[in-house]
Amino acid sequence: GAVVSQHPSRVICKSGTSVKIECRSLDFQATTMFWYRQFPKQSLMLMATSNEGSKATYEQGVEKDKFLINHASLTLSTLTVTSAHPEDSSFYICSAKPGGMNTEAFFGQGTRLTVV
Amino acid sequence: AQSVTQPDIHITVSEGASLELRCNYSYGATPYLFWYVQSPGQGLQLLLKYFSGDTLVQGIKGFEAEFKRSQSSFNLRKPSVHWSDAAEYFCAVKGGTASKLTFGTGTRLQVTL
Repeated sequence: GAVVSQHPSRVICKSGTSVKIECRSLDFQATTMFWYRQFPKQSLMLMATSNEGSKATYEQGVEKDKFLINHASLTLSTLTVTSAHPEDSSFYICSAKPGGMNTEAFFGQGTRLTVV
Repeated sequence: AQSVTQPDIHITVSEGASLELRCNYSYGATPYLFWYVQSPGQGLQLLLKYFSGDTLVQGIKGFEAEFKRSQSSFNLRKPSVHWSDAAEYFCAVKGGTASKLTFGTGTRLQVTL
């Protein structure tokens, strides 16, 4: 099956710094990538949708300037959490979708971000 | 707008027993429906999906789900649960090829030996 690699799996950063999370589709071209945030014992909340070469579409309530998304190629999307604060600590998951009508998205293994 | 309800937050079953996880959706037309499984600290793995056709869908790891339009349901079943099935299960709906995936709140499955 299709593989999506997310890196790093865990990261601890100091408050006020920025951290970048990468999402790569290893064996297919992802025309669309999605970024989710998951709070403990809760469901996944879509943060933004990105299409290769264009600006990401953010969900209501998600700060564009805080969560920077770059989908620079058909196999790579990055999420940068800028000026991180402890409340940004969460589990972030990406998914990547090949082109085509009835294709599902494949999920990365997630990144646990802890801001101290 | 589309939505998904998973009524059961937590279910405990004995190993070898049958399992049914409930999922109800809300969408005006025929949706695309999915079941995912998530182990602690991990991403999501697709168990099965329904796009069209046969309403009984077979998935991986011995799981199946049945789409019932009249009940707006897409319940997940497994005839005999294994201890390794303990995980969080998410039902999800997509309203069309271009729309986003909406997840339910999840059901945590515990398996007792």
